[in-house]
Amino acid sequence: AQKITQTQPGMFVQEKEAVTLDCTYDTSDPSYGLFWYKQPSSGEMIFLIYQGSYDQQNATEGRYSLNFQKARKSANLVISASQLGDSAMYFCAMREGLSFGNEKLTFGTGTRLTIIP
Amino acid sequence: DAGVIQSPRHEVTEMGQEVTLRCKPISGHDYLFWYRQTMMRGLELLIYFNNNVPIDDSGMPEDRFSAKMPNASFSTLKIQPSEPRDSAVYFCASSQASGASYNEQFFGPGTRLTVL
Repeated sequence: AQKITQTQPGMFVQEKEAVTLDCTYDTSDPSYGLFWYKQPSSGEMIFLIYQGSYDQQNATEGRYSLNFQKARKSANLVISASQLGDSAMYFCAMREGLSFGNEKLTFGTGTRLTIIP
Repeated sequence: DAGVIQSPRHEVTEMGQEVTLRCKPISGHDYLFWYRQTMMRGLELLIYFNNNVPIDDSGMPEDRFSAKMPNASFSTLKIQPSEPRDSAVYFCASSQASGASYNEQFFGPGTRLTVL
C-alpha cells in the first residue's frame, strides 16, 4: 500500500483563487509528521509547511495552510490567493515515528499545479 | 550559508562507465540524504547518514550503487557500472536532528544524470 497518496496529477487554477492539493497517508504509528514541498520548473525542492500528528492546531505559513484531518488521514495543502509563481510540482511527504535517528521521509507522486492568469 | 552544494549539475556518460556524484551538506547538519527522482518512480530515498554513518540504505537499488561520507562536509554517490535506467535527477539533502519535533530537509539543486 502506498504510504502517501496524491490523487491529483495535475490542476489548473485561476490566479487569485484558493487551491487545495490533496494528500492522504497510511501509517499505524501514532507519532508522525507530514511535510509539503514545492518543486518549481527550475528543479529545486523547497520546504513549505509541516504538521505533526500531535499538533492541536492546523499549521499555517503565510499563504499556506494545512487542512489536517487525522481521523481521515488526510493532510491537504491550501494555498490562498494563488499567484503565477505558485505554478510548480507539489509533494506531500511523511516521516513515521518521530524519534532521534529516524529521519526518513516518504514522498507522494506529486501534483502539478498550473496557475492561469 | 551557501546551502547544499552538489556537483556536477549535469552528467552525461555512456553505459558501463563509473559515475561519481558529490555533495557538500550545510555546515552543522547531522544528517545527509541521497534521493533519486524519475518520472516513473517519483522521489525515492536511496540512503541517509547520521554523523557520517549510514543509517538506512534500504533504498539503494543494487550493488552497483554505493555511497560514502568520509567526513561531515562531503559525501559521494557512486554508480559502477552505470546503466541507461540509472538516468535520473539525484538530490542530496541535509538536516539537523529532529527527535520528536521536526527539522526540514534542505535540498541541493540536484545532478541530472543521463546514461546513454
